[in-house]
Amino acid sequence: AQSVSQHNHHVILSEAASLELGCNYSYGGTVNLFWYVQYPGQHLQLLLKYFSGDPLVKGIKGFEAEFIKSKFSFNLRKPSVQWSDTAEYFCAVNEGKSNFNKFYFGSGTKLNVKP
Amino acid sequence: ETGVTQSPTHLIKTRGQQVTLRCSSQSGHNTVSWYQQALGQGPQFIFQYYREEENGRGNFPPRFSGLQFPNYSSELNVNALELDDSALYLCASSQPTGSLGEQYFGPGTRLTVT
Repeated sequence: AQSVSQHNHHVILSEAASLELGCNYSYGGTVNLFWYVQYPGQHLQLLLKYFSGDPLVKGIKGFEAEFIKSKFSFNLRKPSVQWSDTAEYFCAVNEGKSNFNKFYFGSGTKLNVKP
Repeated sequence: ETGVTQSPTHLIKTRGQQVTLRCSSQSGHNTVSWYQQALGQGPQFIFQYYREEENGRGNFPPRFSGLQFPNYSSELNVNALELDDSALYLCASSQPTGSLGEQYFGPGTRLTVT
């Protein structure tokens, strides 16, 4: 079975600081990769996704993530965070080329941006 | 376009009881997945329904069961509740595009078992 590891459980940054959240997965086959965000009091929503092609993907609100196949990683980045980025971030993986859309989630990283 | 809705928002049950949680999928989506999110954890896959049939299951015991109806809404039933079943239960719907399908999540049902 797949597993997804998020190394940072809680990150505290000041506004304008740069962000990088780590995500590693265990599956050796073709995967699709996702980052979801959960703002306080809101649903999980998709931030960005990678299926194939350019390993650097851009998402909403200035976020981007880079897929490094050799490292089984899909780290999330943002050059300059804002107070409104305070949220919990989840990395998720599913098996590519499958009819079965089962997601494996990491345990999440809580980001607290100080104004 | 109506998003994914879940009911109830929260409920409290006693150990040994049974509970039914409900989910209405987003318009146009015929695939529904259920997840359990314990405190401090990421969502854990329970099972998925496609066209009213179970289309895969995670590592949960048979006392977790589900249904999908012709309008694609879904129920999650949990029998013989245990204290460890206390969690946020999330429903997610998606279009029938296999693994490429983005999942749209509902707000969840917070279940507390005492």
